[in-house]
Amino acid sequence: TQLLEQSPQFLSIQEGENLTVYCNSSSVFSSLQWYRQEPGEGPVLLVTVVTGGEVKKLKRLTFQFGDARKDSSLHITAAQTGDTGLYLCAGVAGNTGKLIFGQGTTLQVKP
Amino acid sequence: KAGVTQTPRYLIKTRGQQVTLSCSPISGHRSVSWYQQTPGQGLQFLFEYFSETQRNKGNFPGRFSGRQFSNSRSEMNVSTLELGDSALYLCASSLAPWGGANTDTQYFGPGTRLTVL
Repeated sequence: TQLLEQSPQFLSIQEGENLTVYCNSSSVFSSLQWYRQEPGEGPVLLVTVVTGGEVKKLKRLTFQFGDARKDSSLHITAAQTGDTGLYLCAGVAGNTGKLIFGQGTTLQVKP
Repeated sequence: KAGVTQTPRYLIKTRGQQVTLSCSPISGHRSVSWYQQTPGQGLQFLFEYFSETQRNKGNFPGRFSGRQFSNSRSEMNVSTLELGDSALYLCASSLAPWGGANTDTQYFGPGTRLTVL
C-alpha cells in the first residue's frame, strides 16, 4: 500500500514568517499534487508536479518534487493570514491511477 | 460555469440505516470520483466513474456503492450505516478519466457531512 506522510500536522506561525511542509513516501509516484482546503469547502488544486526535481512557483508558494519522485515540499514565503487552511499533498499511484492523499497540514497564520 | 454541487450538505442518520448522496459534476465533465474525509484517516479514495462505468475502486467494504447516470450525475450509497461512517464525503469531477497519464484538474464539491448516531 502506498502511503504519503505529511509533516508537520499542525503549524501556527505569525504573519510574515516562512514555513515548509513536507510530504514523504517510500513509494514512487507518477505525479504529485498539492491542494488547499478551507472549512466547509472541498480541496482546491494548487499545483501538479510531474518530473523528478521539478520546482514550481505560485506567487509566494514554491513546490518541489524530489529527484526520485518519492517526496515533495511546499515552502511559503512571508505567510499571510489568507494562507490559513489545510494543505494536502496527493500522489498519483502510477499503476492504478488512484489519488492517495497525505494526512494534511493545518496551517494557522496569526496577524 | 457552476461548480460541482453535492446534496444534501448535511445529513444525520442512525446506525443500521442507509443513505444516498448525490453529486452533479461541472457541465461537460464525465468523470466523477468520490472520497471520504475523516480526522483520523484523512482523505481516502472511494471510487471513480466515467461514462456510467466504475473505473477504479478504493479499499472500502461492499456497503459502499455508487453509480453514474447518462447525464454524468453520480450517487453513492452506504448501507447498514456504522458509527465509523461519519465523515465528510467529497465528490470531484474532471473532463477525462482521471489518473495515470491524465492529471487534468479535479474540481471538488463542498462535500456532504454525514453524521451517524
